[in-house]
Amino acid sequence: DQQVKQNSPSLSVQEGRISILNCDYTNSMFDYFLWYKKYPAEGPTFLISISSIKDKNEDGRFTVFLNKSAKHLSLHIVPSQPGDSAVYFCAASAGSNYKLTFGKGTLLTVNP
Amino acid sequence: DSGVTQTPKHLITATGQRVTLRCSPRSGDLSVYWYQQSLDQGLQFLIQYYNGEERAKGNILERFSAQQFPDLHSELNLSSLELGDSALYFCASSERQGNSPLHFGNGTRLTVT
Repeated sequence: DQQVKQNSPSLSVQEGRISILNCDYTNSMFDYFLWYKKYPAEGPTFLISISSIKDKNEDGRFTVFLNKSAKHLSLHIVPSQPGDSAVYFCAASAGSNYKLTFGKGTLLTVNP
Repeated sequence: DSGVTQTPKHLITATGQRVTLRCSPRSGDLSVYWYQQSLDQGLQFLIQYYNGEERAKGNILERFSAQQFPDLHSELNLSSLELGDSALYFCASSERQGNSPLHFGNGTRLTVT
């Protein structure tokens, strides 16, 4: 039972363009959502988060959008840079249930 | 650098053996989490400790156990190892419980032969 789904295993974009990574969830109790980036041989690095009381959160080139009715969130990276090439994980948690549930990740490749 | 330290980086051992993975959380973080990442799988939550007490359990096998010590470092003990236990084991820490990002270490790669 996969509660957090990233349906695109990979995504390729050109440098300077927008990267859009998508994530769907099934558990309506989730109220906190995060995106992590992971390079090979390293642990996941926190990028950006959003609480369910918001529908958008922005931090520099990274913006996360949350659509609660559709149980969908997305991460926009503008402009994309070759250094953004990594695996991106979507994660969610529910109230007092402190553990994060992760998706399987999307490999983003930004081509120069 | 996340500030979370995991040792060892790599571990190769035989089936049936027992190993201990160690994690030092970021300074000031009271919560420690353990995750397992197997091939083609996402990060699977194993167990969480907060200030020395177990707070949540995920898909952790009975052969696995963990603890958090008074100095807040944590150890994950894996026993009676099987080939299928080969995976990356990540430790993460956060400053509080709930609605705060987890900061991950670089993981321990366990290979069971």
